[in-house]
Amino acid sequence: QVQLQESGPGLVKPSETLSLTCTVSGASISSYYWSWIRQPPGKGLEWIGYISYSGSTNYNPSLKSRVTMSLDTSKNQFSLKLSSVTAADTAVYYCASHASGLSWFDPWGQGTLVTVSS
Amino acid sequence: DIVMTQSPDSLAVSLGERATINCKSSQSVLYSTNNRNYLAWYQHKPGQPPKLLVYWASTRESGVPDRFSGSGSGTDFTLTISSLQAEDVAVYYCQQYYNTPPTFGQGTKLEIK
Repeated sequence: QVQLQESGPGLVKPSETLSLTCTVSGASISSYYWSWIRQPPGKGLEWIGYISYSGSTNYNPSLKSRVTMSLDTSKNQFSLKLSSVTAADTAVYYCASHASGLSWFDPWGQGTLVTVSS
Repeated sequence: DIVMTQSPDSLAVSLGERATINCKSSQSVLYSTNNRNYLAWYQHKPGQPPKLLVYWASTRESGVPDRFSGSGSGTDFTLTISSLQAEDVAVYYCQQYYNTPPTFGQGTKLEIK
């Protein structure tokens, strides 16, 4: 079955760029759509954006100016970069798969906590 | 953005009893062309990723126990657990995928009474 695993630094300094990678097994990233979703401590879920199998992207307007997503087909990975981070970007970041541009998310990675602090 | 509002925020139910969680969208998520409601439900336990329970408002994901059921249409939806089990303690979220950005409800925390 499809499995996803997030990786990246757990601590990022304010104003710097948060970088995460999601490694996919059991499926090719040249198929499907691939999203990033986050959950700040004690808060709800927020969709960050997706990158499709073809490399097209769709970002949440609330974060669009700071977000970049990319695919690495050679490693079957996709990545998230979030620039100019502040403490408000502290969250558990999940990667997830979906079948179309607007769909439910399944499966999800285990999630990785990223803390923004100096 | 479509705002998803769940009620209640928290719920305590006795083992074996019915649990009902509501989700209301700020606009209809029913697509008239295919008569489908673009709504999903997830179960989220601490330290685990959210687990898909229901999509198209009422289609149970494979492997999900049949005590979980989704209903509703348009703007009002319900997730029902017919007979609460101890392993059902979790936070439950609804999510619309009718338009972008996809949005989630604030979550309902389900506990054992």
